[in-house]
Amino acid sequence: DGGITQSPKYLFRKEGQNVTLSCEQNLNHDAMYWYRQDPGQGLRLIYYSQIVNDFQKGDIAEGYSVSREKKESFPLTVTSAQKNPTAFYLCASTNLKTGMGNQPQHFGDGTRLSIL
Amino acid sequence: QKEVEQNSGPLSVPEGAIASLNCTYSDRVSQSFFWYRQYSGKSPELIMSIYSNGDKEDGRFTAQLNKASQYVSLLIRDSQPSDSATYLCAVLFWGGNQFYFGTGTSLTVIP
Repeated sequence: DGGITQSPKYLFRKEGQNVTLSCEQNLNHDAMYWYRQDPGQGLRLIYYSQIVNDFQKGDIAEGYSVSREKKESFPLTVTSAQKNPTAFYLCASTNLKTGMGNQPQHFGDGTRLSIL
Repeated sequence: QKEVEQNSGPLSVPEGAIASLNCTYSDRVSQSFFWYRQYSGKSPELIMSIYSNGDKEDGRFTAQLNKASQYVSLLIRDSQPSDSATYLCAVLFWGGNQFYFGTGTSLTVIP
């Protein structure tokens, strides 16, 4: 089955530690995205990537880093500079078209990050 | 002004009634519109996509798009308790590559 796999499902971060969230897709999608969701709030864009070896900052990129070395993979690192990392992190992917009828984003199951 | 706005609710409807969810978006050239359902603690799942003015029906769900008035709505007919969730509206603007999400409307269907 094609889909987006996020791991781990739950993650705990210690003070001063960097942690990496994994996102893998086998949908052959070009574009991949990372969102953060806080309780009772909508999705806020952290980073996105349209092609391999290229990515752009979203609205809340500070304290986060990403890489896109393979089309299938878009890992997110939450650095120690992110002072309030506790949230639900969602990875999404899609194929973007320049014309009408863009495909929607499909989401992974998410990773819930907490501070120890 | 936020790009995409939704009434956060909560919206409560009795079982069997029609639930109406609304979403407005900023004055930019819009392209594609999506409705997602998100159960508590889960990731969003796509319900409907709509690209042209008018109505689009899929089972109990109808999406309505009015670009002149800059709104898109979702109607849920014969609401069921299993429809209780948060509904997110998303918009992709022409020439862009970011999806803009509303904050979501919480729906509760009362048995």
